[in-house]
Amino acid sequence: DVQLVESGGGLVQPGGSLRLSCGASGFTFSSSWMSWVRQAPGKGLEWVANIKEDGSVKYYLDSMKGRLTISRDNARNSLYLQMNSLRVDDTAVYYCARDYRDDHFFAYWGQGALVTVSS
Amino acid sequence: DIQMTQSPSTLSASVGDRVTITCRASQNIYNWLAWYQQKPGKAPKFLIYKASSLQSGVPSRFSGSGSGTEYTLTISSLQSDDFATYYCQQAKSYPLTFGGGTKVEIK
Repeated sequence: DVQLVESGGGLVQPGGSLRLSCGASGFTFSSSWMSWVRQAPGKGLEWVANIKEDGSVKYYLDSMKGRLTISRDNARNSLYLQMNSLRVDDTAVYYCARDYRDDHFFAYWGQGALVTVSS
Repeated sequence: DIQMTQSPSTLSASVGDRVTITCRASQNIYNWLAWYQQKPGKAPKFLIYKASSLQSGVPSRFSGSGSGTEYTLTISSLQSDDFATYYCQQAKSYPLTFGGGTKVEIK
């Protein structure tokens, strides 16, 4: 079975940094586009970034560009999201998600990691 | 950016009802549309892709249709397990965007 497990969430002060990780199992990680999608408390879903199978192509939400770095380690079956200069409105549950068939539909999701930005 | 507008934002229905949710894109997305179901405190669940293809394991009471800029999700006979929030998502172009969600409540 496909499993995605996020870690690294927590409380951070405005302006701070945090690195989220997502461990993958049950599929060939190196053959899948991967994304991060977030959901602020009580709000809808917002795609944040994605990365091609080999890590050579990355896309970001414009409003977060420059503050985010998505990366992956195919040898470790792991996806990462480095977030810098965090703002209060970055507070959200961050989900790791796998493409269905390189089509940017999100067929599999992790349980989410809560990031709280507050002083 | 492609804006995705769902309607209604909230829907009250009873078990057994036929339910339809609409998603409108700000430009033609050529069927690059998916639907998700989300329950409180849980990750979204993938229901439908390419506007009308049912994901494996999803009950056949769920169906999707549409083309161009207008798409619908239909639940033919609402079950108690279907009370949740539903989101559409376009994958035609970046940034990938979701609709605002439709909450299906018990009437």
